[in-house]
Amino acid sequence: DGGITQSPKYLFRKEGQNVTLSCEQNLNHDAMYWYRQDPGQGLRLIYYSQIVNDFQKGDIAEGYSVSREKKESFPLTVTSAQKNPTAFYLCASSIVESTPRLFFGEGSRLTVL
Amino acid sequence: AQSVAQPEDQVNVAEGNPLTVKCTYSVSGNPYLFWYVQYPNRGLQFLLKYITGDNLVKGSYGFEAEFNKSQTSFHLKKPSALVSDSALYFCAVRDGSGNTGKLIFGQGTTLQVKP
Repeated sequence: DGGITQSPKYLFRKEGQNVTLSCEQNLNHDAMYWYRQDPGQGLRLIYYSQIVNDFQKGDIAEGYSVSREKKESFPLTVTSAQKNPTAFYLCASSIVESTPRLFFGEGSRLTVL
Repeated sequence: AQSVAQPEDQVNVAEGNPLTVKCTYSVSGNPYLFWYVQYPNRGLQFLLKYITGDNLVKGSYGFEAEFNKSQTSFHLKKPSALVSDSALYFCAVRDGSGNTGKLIFGQGTTLQVKP
């Protein structure tokens, strides 16, 4: 089945540790996105990429890093510089057009203890 | 700056009754508007989008949305609610111009459909 796979689904880490969230898609989409979801705040864009080896900061990129070495993969690293990393992280992908439909993964819930 | 607002944190409706989830927007230029639904601890699923043309947009699972330019609204509707429609609903607007899927989301509205 085509889709987006995020792993792990749940992740616990201590303060000060970097963690990497995986996102893989087999939809042959060029564009990929990372959103952060907090209760009552909707979704906010962290990073996005429209082509391999290129990515752009979103609205809340501080404390996060990404890479796009392959079309299928867009991992997100939550660094120790992120002041409040506990959240639900959603990866999405789409074709590149003016109003694309986003396809979302199931999400990764990160809890920093 | 582009923005969307969902004025209701929660909407309660009885099964079989019509439902409306409200969304208002503020954009410069043409509005490109979306509705997504999220079930607990899951990703979002696309329901429908408005680009141009007919003000009534039909989408997945029997949902539709009405675009109203004068009221800058894009309310989600369904003629007869199901208990399985209970979920978190997000309105979104495209952020900026060009070929991008960058979206600005509202804060979400929880829909509770009671039997």
